Amino acid sequence: TQLLEQSPQFLSIQEGENLTVYCNSSSVFSSLQWYRQEPGEGPVLLVTVVTGGEVKKLKRLTFQFGDARKDSSLHITAAQTGDTGLYLCAGSVETNAGKSTFGDGTTLTVKP
Amino acid sequence: GAVVSQHPSRVICKSGTSVKIECRSLDFQATTMFWYRQFPKQSLMLMATSNEGSKATYEQGVEKDKFLINHASLTLSTLTVTSAHPEDSSFYICSASRGHTEAFFGQGTRLTVV
Repeated sequence: TQLLEQSPQFLSIQEGENLTVYCNSSSVFSSLQWYRQEPGEGPVLLVTVVTGGEVKKLKRLTFQFGDARKDSSLHITAAQTGDTGLYLCAGSVETNAGKSTFGDGTTLTVKP
Repeated sequence: GAVVSQHPSRVICKSGTSVKIECRSLDFQATTMFWYRQFPKQSLMLMATSNEGSKATYEQGVEKDKFLINHASLTLSTLTVTSAHPEDSSFYICSASRGHTEAFFGQGTRLTVV
């Protein structure tokens, strides 16, 4: 069983601050996805990383996949209240991203 | 991104009855869909892999006779919770894969068994 440890579990910051969420595992993943989930809704895909060392940017969000493809990070610059939500990382060891192991999630609260 | 639609979004049923949840990929064909379960303030747990035209593959600990999965076409998978009990109350979410590295989720179904 592949386990993904996500940290921190909860994060509360002021608008304008920067933050980083970590996703770590002892397993190697073929691909890793980051999702954002609103209460009562399904997760929304933010990004997929597949290559060790890969860095992807999505506006104020920067995603990095570790060289060994065992860990990943999500960095948000100048957080906004609209960034509030549950952030989930998910890793797949098969050639199908749909079958994923999810981390426990990071609940981010950005205060005005 | 691609669109995956799940229906219904909320359902309340009496204990002992069965409930069917539909998952449709609206703008792409998905040979494989996945069903997850999420308890409050917890992450998603994979229940089963739904394969078009063949039997679903269930994760360890998931009762296949209780959670019936049918993948009748390349755009539709259904999950039927049979003889539902209060402990089956949860948030059920499906996903569909597009290619090897992308997965898109439905909006989820909140099941409450009373």
